[in-house]
Formats: sequence, structure tokens, C-alpha cells
Amino acid sequence: KQEVTQIPAALSVPEGENLVLNCSFTDSAIYNLQWFRQDPGKGLTSLLLIQSSQREQTSGRLNASLDKSSGRSTLYIAASQPGDSATYLCAVITGNQFYFGTGTSLTVIP
Amino acid sequence: NAGVTQTPKFQVLKTGQSMTLQCAQDMNHEYMSWYRQDPGMGLRLIHYSVGAGITDQGEVPNGYNVSRSTTEDFPLRLLSAAPSQTSVYFCASSYGSGSYEQYFGPGTRLTVT
Repeated sequence: KQEVTQIPAALSVPEGENLVLNCSFTDSAIYNLQWFRQDPGKGLTSLLLIQSSQREQTSGRLNASLDKSSGRSTLYIAASQPGDSATYLCAVITGNQFYFGTGTSLTVIP
Repeated sequence: NAGVTQTPKFQVLKTGQSMTLQCAQDMNHEYMSWYRQDPGMGLRLIHYSVGAGITDQGEVPNGYNVSRSTTEDFPLRLLSAAPSQTSVYFCASSYGSGSYEQYFGPGTRLTVT
């Protein structure tokens, strides 16, 4: 069974800092990996989707990398802003099923 | 496009009651799924469907039923609610299960007393 882990569980940084969130998974036979953002009491918003054949994807200040062989992905956020405060979740797709990590709660302090 | 919609937003049930959580999407997506989100557990897959008439179990299917009679709708039925089913439920859809981005609904917060 696929298991997805996200470290750290919580992170607090001052505004303007660059930061990295980590996601690891146990089964490298994945179709793709997706990063989401979740604001309190809300649904999930897709940030980046990395296909299994890709190494990274970029969108604005966000850059996500994927290393299937080591079972790891990172989400890099440049020049963090208070509006980036949210929980960040990664999910991998194995077969027909999506498996989620428990998330990293990010607080960006003004 | 409305995207993925869920009703109701909030629901309180008594133990043993039944109810249906509604999910609809207007993006002509073949793949739809239901998750529950509990503190410290992340999102766990309950049931999914790869197209109209086809459903399958996810990680935590016990106590829940689904059917998929149309591409647009994927309701989740709680047959006899239990306090352990208190959770936030999310519906999601995508063009397919493999390489496609998932889109999520706003969620239903369910409390079973």
C-alpha cells in the first residue's frame, strides 16, 4: 500500500523567506504527483501537477520537483508572502487511486 | 463552469440515520471520487468511479455506498450513520485517473451524534 509522508507537519517563516516543503512516498510506481493548497475550512486548490516522466514543474513563485527513484518530491516557494499561509498537501496517483500526505501547515509572518 | 459542487455544506445526523451527500461536476470528467478528511489522517479515498456505471472501493469504503448513473453525478450514501463517520467529505473529479489534474469540491462537514 502506498504511503505518503510530509515533513515538517508545521512551518513558520518570516515574510520574504524562501522555503521548501517535502513529500515522500513508498511506491515509486506512480502516474503523477500533485501539490495542493488548502485554506482553513475550504476545499483543495491544485497548485502543480508533475507527470511521472517529468522532473519538475513551475508556476510563478512555485517550483515542484520529482525524483521517482528515491520516492521524493519538494515544493519550493520563493519570496514567501502572508497570503501563502495555508496547508500544503501532496498526492500521488498509483493505479486508479490517489494517496495523500497529511500536509504541512505553513504560516508566513508579516 | 461551476466546477465541482457539493451539497449540503453542513449536516448533523443522529446515529443510525441515513443520508446522501450530493456531488456534481460540469466538466465532462470521467473520473470522480469521494474522500474523507480527518485530523492527523489526511485525505482517505472512500470510493471512486472511472465512468458512468463503473465504481470501485478505495481505502475506507465500509459504511458507504455509491452509484454512478450519469457522468455528471456521483452521490455518496451513508446507510446507517455512526459517530466514526463524523468528518469532512470531499468530492473530486478529473478527466481520468492516470495523468490528469484533480479538481475538488468545497466539502461537506458531517457530524454524527
